[in-house]
Amino acid sequence: SAVISQKPSRDICQRGTSLTIQCQVDSQVTMMFWYRQQPGQSLTLIATANQGSEATYESGFVIDKFPISRPNLTFSTLTVSNMSPEDSSIYLCSAGRDTFGEQYFGPGTRLTVT
Amino acid sequence: TQLLEQSPQFLSIQEGENLTVYCNSSSVFSSLQWYRQEPGEGPVLLVTVVTGGEVKKLKRLTFQFGDARKDSSLHITAAQPGDTGLYLCAGPNYGGSQGNLIFGKGTKLSVKP
Repeated sequence: SAVISQKPSRDICQRGTSLTIQCQVDSQVTMMFWYRQQPGQSLTLIATANQGSEATYESGFVIDKFPISRPNLTFSTLTVSNMSPEDSSIYLCSAGRDTFGEQYFGPGTRLTVT
Repeated sequence: TQLLEQSPQFLSIQEGENLTVYCNSSSVFSSLQWYRQEPGEGPVLLVTVVTGGEVKKLKRLTFQFGDARKDSSLHITAAQPGDTGLYLCAGPNYGGSQGNLIFGKGTKLSVKP
């Protein structure tokens, strides 16, 4: 397993600003992912954070809006850029390492954009 | 397109009752995972089922993988308020990047004391 921490745990931001969320894993992992989740609903994958190369984005998500960094095998950041109220959500990072693709999740960052 | 459909979407029961949650697909999966997410937390992996027909038990939780590996169920015996949460099934996304998972929409369980 892996222990994942995220910072900040929550934030309230003004529209038009940007927020960077940090994700730290307690051990080296091959894969890291970023998700978005509306409270009580399922997860939507934003992108796979690749170490040493550009992130792989899912349909509907673009690098200009959600730039991602992955400088090493234990750390990644997600920036939510030029925020609007529609970006209000819970953002989760996860790490995948095990045989069958199991993922271990951070506690999430609850973002409110006003 | 791979889809995982979970039912029921919502479930509200009294402490001590039994319940079953279902995860169905028209696609074959090499494995399926179940996660539980409590409010304010990230999902926590409960179990991975790999073999068709497999049954795994985790205390009062029993997980089953269908013989054809297209479906799975989670049965909770004598539910407790601590079982309250969002239950998600997930499986490998064969059309996506390595390690990507497909998640069902989840079953929101509330166990009242």
